[in-house]
Amino acid sequence: SQQGEEDPQALSIQEGENATMNCSYKTSINNLQWYRQNSGRGLVHLILIRSNEREKHSGRLRVTLDTSKKSSSLLITASRAADTASYFCATAAEHDYKLSFGAGTTVTVRA
Amino acid sequence: AAGVIQSPRHLIKEKRETATLKCYPIPRHDTVYWYQQGPGQDPQFLISFYEKMQSDKGSIPDRFSAQQFSDYHSELNMSSLELGDSALYFCASSIGQGKGYTFGSGTRLTVV
Repeated sequence: SQQGEEDPQALSIQEGENATMNCSYKTSINNLQWYRQNSGRGLVHLILIRSNEREKHSGRLRVTLDTSKKSSSLLITASRAADTASYFCATAAEHDYKLSFGAGTTVTVRA
Repeated sequence: AAGVIQSPRHLIKEKRETATLKCYPIPRHDTVYWYQQGPGQDPQFLISFYEKMQSDKGSIPDRFSAQQFSDYHSELNMSSLELGDSALYFCASSIGQGKGYTFGSGTRLTVV
């Protein structure tokens, strides 16, 4: 991947449980974004967190950002079968506008 | 609301053929990005345009070229196709650079 690692690579949980995935990156960033992708489909933007923010919420999603450790986490609470997808973090570096994606975490939510 | 439109959705080409992928950004979006996602891979940045000028270039092969037209739509031209070019090609658009992106549904290119 262009910018770092996501962990775990795959995650299998029961419906109703929480899912947490982590992302690390290498360069200084302007913002970090999380995307969801259903198998072979388009990338859906979930949430954007700026480098001066530490935590952000959107519905059942909670994102944290630690710029000192160059890492971010995405928490999905009360997971549903429809949350089954691959989740990618992507960073926009300072003075750069393109996104660099991590390798993704595949989440399977069992009914 | 209008989204980013990519065409075609699916494309099958033979080796050494040429393919053209089209991207129609959200109205008033002036920036377009192209990404390539191989099977089981993360999306890789290819090239971007801002106000019809190339603004950044990533790991795009010399066999590929792209441009952004006066109506802000963009086309990715791929020549001398190779089996390894089989991938999902995404286009994203934004208003200005460094702002929120919206991705299209992608074009799945299969080279046989």
